[in-house]
Amino acid sequence: EPEVTQTPSHQVTQMGQEVILRCVPISNHLYFYWYRQILGQKVEFLVSFYNNEISEKSEIFDDQFSVERPDGSNFTLKIRSTKLEDSAMYFCASSEALPVRGIITQYFGPGTRLTVL
Amino acid sequence: GNSVTQMEGPVTLSEEAFLTINCTYTATGYPSLFWYVQYPGEGLQLLLKATKADDKGSNKGFEATYRKETTSFHLEKGSVQVSDSAVYFCALSGGNSGYSTLTFGKGTMLLVSP
Repeated sequence: EPEVTQTPSHQVTQMGQEVILRCVPISNHLYFYWYRQILGQKVEFLVSFYNNEISEKSEIFDDQFSVERPDGSNFTLKIRSTKLEDSAMYFCASSEALPVRGIITQYFGPGTRLTVL
Repeated sequence: GNSVTQMEGPVTLSEEAFLTINCTYTATGYPSLFWYVQYPGEGLQLLLKATKADDKGSNKGFEATYRKETTSFHLEKGSVQVSDSAVYFCALSGGNSGYSTLTFGKGTMLLVSP
């Protein structure tokens, strides 16, 4: 069964460093998403991406964050200058079509745990 | 904006016990409602969903009914197994937010002992 994969599973970085989290969505999917979960808190939406553009983004997704689909398979989340509060589990997801009325399922990867020291 | 509240965990049960995990939501309009499950070391998997009032979503013995009058989507299973041990997330899309956005609850850990 096709699945979303994410690398690395755990990333440790120093405050102020740039990190890139990588995701390989399911191959025929067109919509891509990033979510994060700070330890003990809710899973929060960051951004959705379609046709090489951001479709929606949350207030969390500020200028420190960017997303890119550099080739036909990868979908990346970059944090330019990490802060301690960026420490969280980051989940990538994909769906095959626009989830109009929430009917289309978003498929999630296993997550990357980011630790900022 | 949208919000989802679910019961605090962990929920600890013996095998074959009845499970209820409460979930209530706040949203305007007609959101769609979901339960996702996360097994240890894995990603979030869609367990079941309901897209309109009074719909019942069901899968793997789990079920939940979309109750607009009580703004609830409680997850139930009649007889849990050890393999059901996981974290369960209630979520919604639509309502105040765009339909591509899932709003999650905090998650409820379920521990089932033999």
